[in-house]
Amino acid sequence: GENVEQHPSTLSVQEGDSAVIKCTYSDSASNYFPWYKQELGKGPQLIIDIRSNVGEKKDQRIAVTLNKTAKHFSLHITETQPEDSAVYFCAASSGYSTLTFGKGTMLLVSP
Amino acid sequence: DAGVIQSPRHEVTEMGQEVTLRCKPISGHNSLFWYRQTMMRGLELLIYFNNNVPIDDSGMPEDRFSAKMPNASFSTLKIQPSEPRDSAVYFCASMVGGNTIYFGEGSWLTVV
Repeated sequence: GENVEQHPSTLSVQEGDSAVIKCTYSDSASNYFPWYKQELGKGPQLIIDIRSNVGEKKDQRIAVTLNKTAKHFSLHITETQPEDSAVYFCAASSGYSTLTFGKGTMLLVSP
Repeated sequence: DAGVIQSPRHEVTEMGQEVTLRCKPISGHNSLFWYRQTMMRGLELLIYFNNNVPIDDSGMPEDRFSAKMPNASFSTLKIQPSEPRDSAVYFCASMVGGNTIYFGEGSWLTVV
């Protein structure tokens, strides 16, 4: 089955800096890669996703890149703000499987 | 849209007691998932249903866990008897078509 590795497990940045979280996956059939943000006491919420027919996708301060050859994808947050502090999860799936999640990255943005 | 609705939000119970967690998926969604989240194991898929039929329950830890989906708008996850190691946050999630899964706010279970 699919295996998703996520790094780093914790990330501390200053407000205004950029943050990058990286994930690798094992199943070459995977074609859907969402990112979820989980705030304290809440369920994970989808913030951005990418499918294997594109290499990069942006939504305001958030971008995701995908390298299918290397089987890795990354989340980039620019101009970080304190409200970006949360746990971020990457995930991967193919059309025939459910999502497999990474272990999560705790992002702390200091004012 | 009300989103995925879970109850109870918090439950504290004694070891050996039966626990029932409830979920109402987003209207129109035909897939429903139960996840368990712990610090040690992260997000684990316990079981998922498609059109009310259990498709994959390989993540259910043992016979003490059972899940049902009697209709398209309701599902339960039951633990009987509960044990302290079952303490976790249990998430219900739903999906229609594609791959976008929407999570509920979770049920925080503590077994003492």
